[in-house]
Order: sequence, then structure tokens, then C-alpha cells
Amino acid sequence: QKEVEQDPGPLSVPEGAIVSLNCTYSNSAFQYFMWYRQYSRKGPELLMYTYSSGNKEDGRFTAQVDKSSKYISLFIRDSQPSDSATYLCAMTGGGYQKVTFGTGTKLQVIP
Amino acid sequence: DGGITQSPKYLFRKEGQNVTLSCEQNLNHDAMYWYRQDPGQGLRLIYYSQIVNDFQKGDIAEGYSVSREKKESFPLTVTSAQKNPTAFYLCASSSDGGYGYTFGSGTRLTVV
Repeated sequence: QKEVEQDPGPLSVPEGAIVSLNCTYSNSAFQYFMWYRQYSRKGPELLMYTYSSGNKEDGRFTAQVDKSSKYISLFIRDSQPSDSATYLCAMTGGGYQKVTFGTGTKLQVIP
Repeated sequence: DGGITQSPKYLFRKEGQNVTLSCEQNLNHDAMYWYRQDPGQGLRLIYYSQIVNDFQKGDIAEGYSVSREKKESFPLTVTSAQKNPTAFYLCASSSDGGYGYTFGSGTRLTVV
């Protein structure tokens, strides 16, 4: 079993839809949770990070962490074609501990 | 503008050759990392360095080597011992140990 599981998709939605992207994990030591967006043939860019459980909102993006269920989510409201990319979840115990990445979910927003 | 520069963008390697991928950052970050990305496997850590003149193996270090002689630079050499080197290579840096990596644009290496 992988430490971090992420549905690879692809996920296709119409423009304006609410998108839900999810990861599950098995390591209860993870404390910091990140979401990266990666456009084709580019490096990932950090979208959001959260510490421990709870929600964090930034514009159209909301990150949610449920440590009791070992489940994290990224919601995108009013999705745009420019949101079409691969979304990677990542998590770590903190400090200089190793960061474990999910395999990524490919999202396509159709105009 | 601050960031990470990886070069070249595309690289072709013949069988038995060593090739070196460049990674330079002007973010004044202490830690630097090399990842390999393959379809369906996510990012796998090759090597990382938390300070100049020191580096550690990641999960898939065999067939690779690195150096960290300057804070700004962390080149990766893919040696002939790496049997399946075709992949997308990403360099990253961080100032806080991993909560927020800054990635370069990557180098796509292909064996010909």
C-alpha cells in the first residue's frame, strides 16, 4: 500500500463547476499538507498548504484536512479552463522530514 | 526575479554516456532537491542537500551523483549505471525544510 493515494483521473468538468480533488494517506505522523499545480511540461507550483486539521481558503481554492480520516481535499469553485492541469497532493511530518507526493490528478475544464 | 533555473530543457543521452543536469537558484534557499517524475509514479526523490558540501541519498539514488559546492547550485549527473534514465527531472529548493518547495521547469532526458 502506498503512503499517499491519489486518483489519477483524468477528471473532466464543464467550466464553472465545483471541482473536488482528494488524497488519502496512511502515515499518522504527517502534519503539513500541500497542494501543487503542474501544467504540462512545467514544474509544480505550490497552491496551498495547511497545518494539521481544518480548512484554508484562498480565492477560489479551499484546502481541507481531516486527520481523523487521513483524508485531504482541494476544492476549486467556478472552475476555469486555465485550471486545467495536474494537481499533486504532498505531505510531511515537518522540519526537514521527507515530503511524500501523490501521483497527481489530471483535471480538464471544458469551456 | 527569484527562482530556479534548470538547463537544458531537453537532453538526449546515448547508451554508456554520463550527462549532467544543471540547477541554479537565486532564492537564497539552504535546501535543494532532485526528483524524478515518471507517468503514474509521482515524484521520487533522488538526492537532497540541506547545506553546502553536504548531501544525502533519496529513495532512488542508484546511478546518480550530485555535488553542492555552492549554495546556489546543485547539479545532477546521470551516470551510465542508471539503466532507465528516460524521465522528467525536477529540481526544487526550500528555505523551511519542505512546507513549500519552489520547483524549476524541469529537464526531459531521453535515451537515444
